[in-house]
Amino acid sequence: DTGVSQDPRHKITKRGQNVTFRCDPISEHNRLYWYRQTLGQGPEFLTYFQNEAQLEKSRLLSDRFSAERPKGSFSTLEIQRTEQGDSAMYLCASSLGGLAGEQFFGPGTRLTVL
Amino acid sequence: RKEVEQDPGPFNVPEGATVAFNCTYSNSASQSFFWYRQDCRKEPKLLMSVYSSGNEDGRFTAQLNRASQYISLLIRDSKLSDSATYLCVVKNTGNQFYFGTGTSLTVIP
Repeated sequence: DTGVSQDPRHKITKRGQNVTFRCDPISEHNRLYWYRQTLGQGPEFLTYFQNEAQLEKSRLLSDRFSAERPKGSFSTLEIQRTEQGDSAMYLCASSLGGLAGEQFFGPGTRLTVL
Repeated sequence: RKEVEQDPGPFNVPEGATVAFNCTYSNSASQSFFWYRQDCRKEPKLLMSVYSSGNEDGRFTAQLNRASQYISLLIRDSKLSDSATYLCVVKNTGNQFYFGTGTSLTVIP
């Protein structure tokens, strides 16, 4: 399968713990996005990379969230000191860029904070 | 004001019906427009891009009205398999993608 992959698919953690998620984009895609989605809402933009450079971050992204894409391939999203409000589906998407720039999504990581 | 607004529905229609969804966006400088489909507990998948001249893909027709800042999706001859949430997506000049809350469609036998 050459689509976007995410790991883990599910994560249950206790409040206050740190969690890290991984995303492997489609190999030739230079843009990578992270989103958060809660029930009944559309995906909410968190951050965006072009190659290894993090170009945009949502103002909604608190200091507890950090993302990296060290070699311009896979990316990690870390949440420190998790809170119950962090429970959501975390989606990764990649695209080739350009004016159209259709995004292709991974299956997501569902985070539950107890 | 939200970047993208959609009627969340739900829309419940019989098989074979025609159904239309609309979506409005707030940033007149938005560059690209899409409709995505999302099945329950699955990731969004691209249904179609929306071009200024309008475009059609089988039973699906998308229209863009830049003057009024709205996008529409028309589904003809609805199938049971069309049941899903349809997300309106707008890309701004800064390469951020904004998603609507989605419109829920259930096609009834």
